[in-house]
Amino acid sequence: AQSVSQHNHHVILSEAASLELGCNYSYGGTVNLFWYVQYPGQHLQLLLKYFSGDPLVKGIKGFEAEFIKSKFSFNLRKPSVQWSDTAEYFCAVTPSGSARQLTFGSGTQLTVLP
Amino acid sequence: KAGVTQTPRYLIKTRGQQVTLSCSPISGHRSVSWYQQTPGQGLQFLFEYFSETQRNKGNFPGRFSGRQFSNSRSEMNVSTLELGDSALYLCASSLPSGYNEQFFGPGTRLTVL
Repeated sequence: AQSVSQHNHHVILSEAASLELGCNYSYGGTVNLFWYVQYPGQHLQLLLKYFSGDPLVKGIKGFEAEFIKSKFSFNLRKPSVQWSDTAEYFCAVTPSGSARQLTFGSGTQLTVLP
Repeated sequence: KAGVTQTPRYLIKTRGQQVTLSCSPISGHRSVSWYQQTPGQGLQFLFEYFSETQRNKGNFPGRFSGRQFSNSRSEMNVSTLELGDSALYLCASSLPSGYNEQFFGPGTRLTVL
């Protein structure tokens, strides 16, 4: 079975700081990878996804993630955060071709100070 | 296009009771998955339905069950409720292919007293 680790439980940044959230997964085969975001009072929304091809994936709102297969990692980055990025971020993985059974990490709460 | 809708949004039950939650997927989405979100265990996969058939099931006891109707709407049922079943229950829908992302609904907040 697959598993996902998000080592940063709570990250606090000032506006305009750069962001990198770590995500490592464990699975023996090929995978699909996702980052979801949950803004306060809102439902989970997809930030970006990786199925195959270019390991550098660009998502909405200026976010990007890089899949490094040798490190089993899919870290989320943003060069300059805004106060509106305050939210909880979840990394998720599925076996390739089975995107309907997501295994989530424990989430990272990001707080951006104005 | 309307998103995934879930009813009711909030529910309070007592131990031993049973509960049924409903999910209407995005139009054209035939796959529906259910997840449980708690502060302690995070987001955990319950089960997935496609064409009225359960295709995948997570590691939950048999008290948790579900079904899907011919219009793709889905229900999940929890019998003999326990305090630990208090959680946010999320429904997600997607196109049938495994290469399409899931879209989540707002969830049903279940509180068991």
